[in-house]
Amino acid sequence: DAKTTQPNSMESNEEEPVHLPCNHSTISGTDYIHWYRQLPSQGPEYVIHGLTSNVNNRMASLAIAEDRKSSTLILHRATLRDAAVYYCILRDGGGYGKLTFGQGTILTVHP
Amino acid sequence: NAGVMQNPRHLVRRRGQEARLRCSPMKGHSHVYWYRQLPEEGLKFMVYLQKENIIDESGMPKERFSAEFPKEGPSILRIQQVVRGDSAAYFCASSQIGGTSSYNEQFFGPGTRLTVL
Repeated sequence: DAKTTQPNSMESNEEEPVHLPCNHSTISGTDYIHWYRQLPSQGPEYVIHGLTSNVNNRMASLAIAEDRKSSTLILHRATLRDAAVYYCILRDGGGYGKLTFGQGTILTVHP
Repeated sequence: NAGVMQNPRHLVRRRGQEARLRCSPMKGHSHVYWYRQLPEEGLKFMVYLQKENIIDESGMPKERFSAEFPKEGPSILRIQQVVRGDSAAYFCASSQIGGTSSYNEQFFGPGTRLTVL
């Protein structure tokens, strides 16, 4: 699986936007970019995924660079409940279903 | 629609005992994945099963660990002769499609926290 690089930690204030970056310079043409997050003492949960175009859902937005070598997860208004570890994961469109987690970004949200 | 269920939520075993972790996937899901999270470490894939078949066990330790997903009933992760290094959170996930599709979201359970004394 291609590797992703994320900052170890980021901080934000409540109700402000948060931009979580992810670098994936060795991404292949068939790799999809997935984001999961893990709240304290819980299992991970799916956030969003995309291939080439920017994506929006009720939880977040995903902005993908034109060359696909990087992407950014955007939380439009952070809440205290968004404090979690965020994982950027590449999944080959033709590969197995397993997820390969990196170290992720620990997001701290201040009231 | 109930989510992925795991039990027990907490399990304490003494060294040398057996641990059995159960996972009931979401309704309609026939693909199950097991992951392990050691203290202060990231999540690591262990095994991927479809009903009655092991699809990928590349992350499973070669000894003492086994997994099954029978036609009826939950998936079971079994750890024989546990050692202190097995202490971790074990998460199960399920998906509807699995395999070759990259679209299918994995739904995770709350985990079983195993403590080996």
